[in-house]
Amino acid sequence: AQSVSQHNHHVILSEAASLELGCNYSYGGTVNLFWYVQYPGQHLQLLLKYFSGDPLVKGIKGFEAEFIKSKFSFNLRKPSVQWSDTAEYFCAVNARDKAAGNKLTFGGGTRVLVKP
Amino acid sequence: DAGITQSPRHKVTETGTPVTLRCHQTENHRYMYWYRQDPGHGLRLIHYSYGVKDTDKGEVSDGYSVSRSKTEDFLLTLESATSSQTSVYFCAISTATNEKLFFGSGTQLSVL
Repeated sequence: AQSVSQHNHHVILSEAASLELGCNYSYGGTVNLFWYVQYPGQHLQLLLKYFSGDPLVKGIKGFEAEFIKSKFSFNLRKPSVQWSDTAEYFCAVNARDKAAGNKLTFGGGTRVLVKP
Repeated sequence: DAGITQSPRHKVTETGTPVTLRCHQTENHRYMYWYRQDPGHGLRLIHYSYGVKDTDKGEVSDGYSVSRSKTEDFLLTLESATSSQTSVYFCAISTATNEKLFFGSGTQLSVL
């Protein structure tokens, strides 16, 4: 079964600072990778996803993520954060192997607080 | 936003009582999921459905059952609620297993 690890539980930074959130997964086969965001009081929504092709994917609101297969990583980045980026961010993995089941596995989440 | 409605939005119940949470969608999506969200654990899959009457267990299915008698409704039942089931429950839908999930607004359940 796949698992997802997000290294930082809490991140505090100032506006205009750069953000990088780590995500590592464990699964030997081919995967689909996602980052979801949950703004305060709201439900989760998709930031970006990687299925195949260019390992550097761009999502909404200036976010991007890079898939490094050799490191089993899918780190999320944003060059300059805004106060409105305050949210909880979740990395998720879906194994493409049918035997693994149709299950999206989430990491524990990283709470990001951007100070104005 | 995708047409997903969860009910109730909030519920307080006592240990040992049965509880049913409802997820209703108007998108005609094939796949439906129930997750619970707890601090430090992210979202954990309880059960999911890949069609009417077709369901399967997730990673934290003990103590929960589900039913899907119609495409649009996916019910989650706690047969005998325990305090460890206090959580926020999210329903999600998708068109395919590899496509993004659309989430409902969540149900805050407190078991006293």
